[in-house]
Amino acid sequence: GAVVSQHPSWVICKSGTSVKIECRSLDFQATTMFWYRQFPKQSLMLMATSNEGSKATYEQGVEKDKFLINHASLTLSTLTVTSAHPEDSSFYICSAPRQGANEQFFGPGTRLTVL
Amino acid sequence: QKEVEQDPGPLSVPEGAIVSLNCTYSNSAFQYFMWYRQYSRKGPELLMYTYSSGNKEDGRFTAQVDKSSKYISLFIRDSQPSDSATYLCAMTLFQGAQKLVFGQGTRLTINP
Repeated sequence: GAVVSQHPSWVICKSGTSVKIECRSLDFQATTMFWYRQFPKQSLMLMATSNEGSKATYEQGVEKDKFLINHASLTLSTLTVTSAHPEDSSFYICSAPRQGANEQFFGPGTRLTVL
Repeated sequence: QKEVEQDPGPLSVPEGAIVSLNCTYSNSAFQYFMWYRQYSRKGPELLMYTYSSGNKEDGRFTAQVDKSSKYISLFIRDSQPSDSATYLCAMTLFQGAQKLVFGQGTRLTINP
């Protein structure tokens, strides 16, 4: 199956700092990628749709100025959590659909802990 | 009311048992239905993908979709301890690059 990677897998930062998370499709091109957030023992909640070459589309209630998304190439999307606070601590997961395939492929996730 | 309802469990069964996992949904326009398995602190892994109503079998896994009842199921035969994970149902209106709507996930433990 297709492979999607995320980096870093785990990050700890101080409150007020910014953290960048990368999502890469390793063996296919993805014009669209999705970013999800998952709190402990809860399901995945879609945050935004990342579109290559254009602005991301954010779900209701997600602050676009806080969660900056850049989809600079067909294999890379980045999520930057700006001025992170403890309540932003969560598991962030990206997914990418491969063109011509029915399913979406998920990355392994990034665990963010804000102290 | 959530768009997709899934009993979060936890569900604990003995090794070798048949496991039944279910989701109900409210939007009759959903056409594509998926089951994902997620191990602790890992990303979801696609198990089954079905379109519209019907059954699909893959090894020990069988997915069923009943669009008239807005009800989908995943059956696991001859369950193994390695099947212990959280199982998430997901669905979407169209195939490909579309937003998925997830259920809450059911935590399953298979006891040796």
